[in-house]
Amino acid sequence: AAGVIQSPRHLIKEKRETATLKCYPIPRHDTVYWYQQGPGQDPQFLISFYEKMQSDKGSIPDRFSAQQFSDYHSELNMSSLELGDSALYFCASSPNQISGNTIYFGEGSWLTVV
Amino acid sequence: GEDVEQSLFLSVREGDSSVINCTYTDSSSTYLYWYKQEPGAGLQLLTYIFSNMDMKQDQRLTVLLNKKDKHLSLRIADTQTGDSAIYFCAETASGGYNKLIFGAGTRLAVHP
Repeated sequence: AAGVIQSPRHLIKEKRETATLKCYPIPRHDTVYWYQQGPGQDPQFLISFYEKMQSDKGSIPDRFSAQQFSDYHSELNMSSLELGDSALYFCASSPNQISGNTIYFGEGSWLTVV
Repeated sequence: GEDVEQSLFLSVREGDSSVINCTYTDSSSTYLYWYKQEPGAGLQLLTYIFSNMDMKQDQRLTVLLNKKDKHLSLRIADTQTGDSAIYFCAETASGGYNKLIFGAGTRLAVHP
């Protein structure tokens, strides 16, 4: 079965650079979520989209932005990168945003800021 | 606010049962989840339980929910070395949307 696809899997950037992560949800899933997992930490919710509109916002820095496109894929843009942004970034998708729909995660994108 | 707590480590012998415990604070959580994360890998959905259920069984996995005490447990029968991983408990945050609040994760080590 198709899963959530994230790219790139690994990314190395320098401080103050910009990075873009992409997420392709499971087919027919219209809700996408982004999570950040720091080393040894639990995943923290960043932002979510439902039907191409932002539906919820968590601890996402102002330097980060995200959007969901007409084909339901989503991109997370991170600017002015800091060392503390080094983390595993997960994208997840669900059939819709209503509580209770199972949420499936991608394999994650490893971002290292040097 | 919402909070999910788990013990950080659990060590079991291969073939024994593992029980991973979790407590949560948001009584309005409708669904509670267990995810597995192997080293350097993503989050794998293991199972989930609806808040009006007491128990759910899926092959070697048994989830018990005590809603009164806001306590959730995951029992893995006949634990194998391949079960070694970090197990995250998660609840859906209040507000009706599917935002997940994760616990810190329990590192399960299975030894011969």
